[in-house]
Amino acid sequence: GAVVSQHPSRVICKSGTSVKIECRSLDFQATTMFWYRQFPKQSLMLMATSNEGSKATYEQGVEKDKFLINHASLTLSTLTVTSAHPEDSSFYICSAEVLGTEAFFGQGTRLTVV
Amino acid sequence: GQNIDQPTEMTATEGAIVQINCTYQTSGFNGLFWYQQHAGEAPTFLSYNVLDGLEEKGRFSSFLSRSKGYSYLLLKELQMKDSASYLCAVRVLRSNDYKLSFGAGTTVTVRA
Repeated sequence: GAVVSQHPSRVICKSGTSVKIECRSLDFQATTMFWYRQFPKQSLMLMATSNEGSKATYEQGVEKDKFLINHASLTLSTLTVTSAHPEDSSFYICSAEVLGTEAFFGQGTRLTVV
Repeated sequence: GQNIDQPTEMTATEGAIVQINCTYQTSGFNGLFWYQQHAGEAPTFLSYNVLDGLEEKGRFSSFLSRSKGYSYLLLKELQMKDSASYLCAVRVLRSNDYKLSFGAGTTVTVRA
């Protein structure tokens, strides 16, 4: 299957700082990328949908000014958690897909805000 | 929103068969996926159903009945490495795009 690379896999940051997470589709061009958040023992919750060259569509309850998404090309999307707080600590996962096919997930990023 | 229900936990013996059920209520249905997720890792794709019926892929099979809003994932010849969380996900068409909505996951524990 296709490969989606997500970086970093783990990050620890201080409260109030910003963290950028990258999601790259390595061997295909993704029409759409999705960002999810997963708390322990819970399911994946969609945060936003990102199409190349256009603004991301955020799910209800997700602050777009706090979770900045940039989708600069068909192979790269970034999520920046701004002014991170301990409650933002979570597992963040991206997925990429070509319309009508399965979604391929990145390895996930474990964010810990201290 | 979408209501996707699946059991929280299941336990089975190595070599046995386990069936994980998933029911959903949604509009704009555009396919149902099953993913496997090990703790601390990202989900990996197992199966996809968009039409009614059974899809078989090695030890894993998935069934869909759209009229009943029902799917199951069948795991045969269970191995210890199959211990993981299994996520049922429904793809839904929206006005401008589509999204995957996930169930809470079923934790399967395989015992020797």
